[in-house]
Amino acid sequence: AQSVTQLDSHVSVSEGTPVLLRCNYSSSYSPSLFWYVQHPNKGLQLLLKYTSAATLVKGINGFEAEFKKSETSFHLTKPSAHMSDAAEYFCVVRRNAGNMLTFGGGTRLMVKP
Amino acid sequence: NAGVTQTPKFQVLKTGQSMTLQCAQDMNHEYMSWYRQDPGMGLRLIHYSVGAGITDQGEVPNGYNVSRSTTEDFPLRLLSAAPSQTSVYFCASSYGAGGLDEQYFGPGTRLTVT
Repeated sequence: AQSVTQLDSHVSVSEGTPVLLRCNYSSSYSPSLFWYVQHPNKGLQLLLKYTSAATLVKGINGFEAEFKKSETSFHLTKPSAHMSDAAEYFCVVRRNAGNMLTFGGGTRLMVKP
Repeated sequence: NAGVTQTPKFQVLKTGQSMTLQCAQDMNHEYMSWYRQDPGMGLRLIHYSVGAGITDQGEVPNGYNVSRSTTEDFPLRLLSAAPSQTSVYFCASSYGAGGLDEQYFGPGTRLTVT
């Protein structure tokens, strides 16, 4: 069975400083991994996905994530935070050829001016 | 192009009442699903459908029923509401069934059961 652990429930950064949101996964199969963002009172939007191609994945709004099989991690980073990045972020694993997504508990990112 | 729409946006029910949450998409997506979101637990899959006439259970199906008579619509029925079903419900769709496609989410329905 697959599972996802987001290591921080809340992360606070200052505008212009780097962002690191941590995600570890477990999967019996070669996983597909996603990061979704949810702005307040909105639905979720895909930031980026890993599907067994390049291990460094670039997404929208300057975010990227690196798949590290040896560490079973898929951390999300951004070099410089913007106020508009304040939101909740979900790491998601999908078993290849499966129909089910497993979500992490979410990390709320706060950006201070 | 409206994407994924959900109605109602807010609903308050009394314990034991039944209701249907509506979900529709206009992207001709085969795959549709329902999730519930509870604080600190991310989203959990309730039911999903890989095409008209085909549905299957997700992670937390008890107390919920679905049907998929058309490609566009995927309603979620609460048979006898319980306080434990207080949550935010999201409908999602994607082009591929069992593939690796982006999920498109609706804006959510906030349900309170008293």
